[in-house]
Amino acid sequence: SQTIHQWPATLVQPVGSPLSLECTVEGTSNPNLYWYRQAAGRGLQLLFYSVGIGQISSEVPQNLSASRPQDRQFILSSKKLLLSDSGFYLCAWERTDYGYTFGSGTRLTVV
Amino acid sequence: AQTVTQSQPEMSVQEAETVTLSCTYDTSENNYYLFWYKQPPSRQMILVIRQEAYKQQNATENRFSVNFQKAAKSFSLKISDSQLGDTAMYFCAFYSNYQLIWGAGTKLIIKP
Repeated sequence: SQTIHQWPATLVQPVGSPLSLECTVEGTSNPNLYWYRQAAGRGLQLLFYSVGIGQISSEVPQNLSASRPQDRQFILSSKKLLLSDSGFYLCAWERTDYGYTFGSGTRLTVV
Repeated sequence: AQTVTQSQPEMSVQEAETVTLSCTYDTSENNYYLFWYKQPPSRQMILVIRQEAYKQQNATENRFSVNFQKAAKSFSLKISDSQLGDTAMYFCAFYSNYQLIWGAGTKLIIKP
C-alpha cells in the first residue's frame, strides 16, 4: 500500500537553532512531493515542491530550504530558525489521477 | 493567476441536517482538478472529494457530493445527514500545472 510518513509530530526549538523535518513515501516511485505551511486558522501556503531527486522548486523566498536526497524522501531544513517560522508544516504526495495525500503534520514552535 | 474563494468563514448546523459549502474559483485553464479537503482538530488533511474539470457529472462520495458549475466557476460541497464527526475546517482547492491553490477555508460545526 502507498503511505506517507512525516516526523516529528511536534517540535519546540529555540530561535537560531537548526531545523530538519523529514517526509518519506512508501509504495510508489518518483512521486511529486510538496512542503506546505499552515498558520493557525489559515489556508495552506506552498513552500517547496519536487518532481524528482535533487529537483527543488521554491515558491516563497524565506529562511527555509528543502532537499530530496532520495526518490521517496523530502527534507525541510533551516540553518537558523526565526520566530516567524513557527507553524504547522505538512508534507504531501501527489498521487496521479487522485489528488494530494498529506502526512500527519509537524507542529513547530520557535521560542 | 488562479484564485479560490470560500465566502463562508464559519457555518453551523444541527446533526442530521444537510449543509452546503460554497467555493468559487477563477482560472483561464480548461483542464484542471478541484478538491474538497477536510481538516479536523487533529489537523490531518483529508481528501473528501475530487472533480475533474472535463467531467460534467458531479462527483459523489457517500454523504458528500459536489455541484460543479464549470461555466460559473463554482464548486460547492453538499454534506447530507451531517454527523458530529464532520466538524472540521473544509478547504476548497484548485489544481493545475503542479500548483494546488487553496481557499481560506470554512469552519463547519455540527451541533448535537
